[in-house]
Amino acid sequence: DIQLTQSPSSLSASVGDRVTISCRTSQSITESLNWYQQKPGKAPKLLIFAASSLQSGVPSRFSGSGSGTDFTLTITSLQPEDFATYHCQQSFSTPQTFGQGTKVEFK
Amino acid sequence: VQLVESGGGSVQPDGSLRLACAASGFTFDDYAMHWVRQAPGKGLEWVSGITWNSVKIDYADSVEGRFTISRDNAKNSLYLQMNSLRAEDTAVYYCVKDNYDNTGDHAYFDFWGQGTLVTVTS
Repeated sequence: DIQLTQSPSSLSASVGDRVTISCRTSQSITESLNWYQQKPGKAPKLLIFAASSLQSGVPSRFSGSGSGTDFTLTITSLQPEDFATYHCQQSFSTPQTFGQGTKVEFK
Repeated sequence: VQLVESGGGSVQPDGSLRLACAASGFTFDDYAMHWVRQAPGKGLEWVSGITWNSVKIDYADSVEGRFTISRDNAKNSLYLQMNSLRAEDTAVYYCVKDNYDNTGDHAYFDFWGQGTLVTVTS
């Protein structure tokens, strides 16, 4: 199985901050990497697919980059509604696996 | 798009449950579907997936031989039969719709249900 390691596991930030979250995979997955946002008690929501494609309706302050084994989710100016947990997921091979999550908390 | 799960609840170890997911707002038989679970306070775990025509079915090792995924395209419904349940199966189970990017090379989960809680406890 492909292992995904997110870093950091949690971070504290303020409104307006630029936030970057890393996701590293145990083997190359080309660009088959997706990012999801999850708020407490809610289902995950797709933000970014295929490493860098913004899902319809997602604000442009979210962006994704990377290929191979190293990927990044960037939030350019953190908004109050962005405090949540972010998960990366690989769809390159079965079983599709997720990172452990990164919790973005209010500083 | 709406995905509405049902069938969760509390069950004793070695018991069984059948989850259902009612889909609407899209052409159900055009898409693969999946079940993804999340244990309390933990991360996301893919459980099982099924292609649009049920030809290809996959399971996580942790549920292989105990869980069975199926779908009824006439009823726009997805199911998960869970047998021999264990305490470690306790989780919120999400019904998830599959999709592909324009190249057809990269899959992703574009819609999730609200989840149904399964608790395995004696």
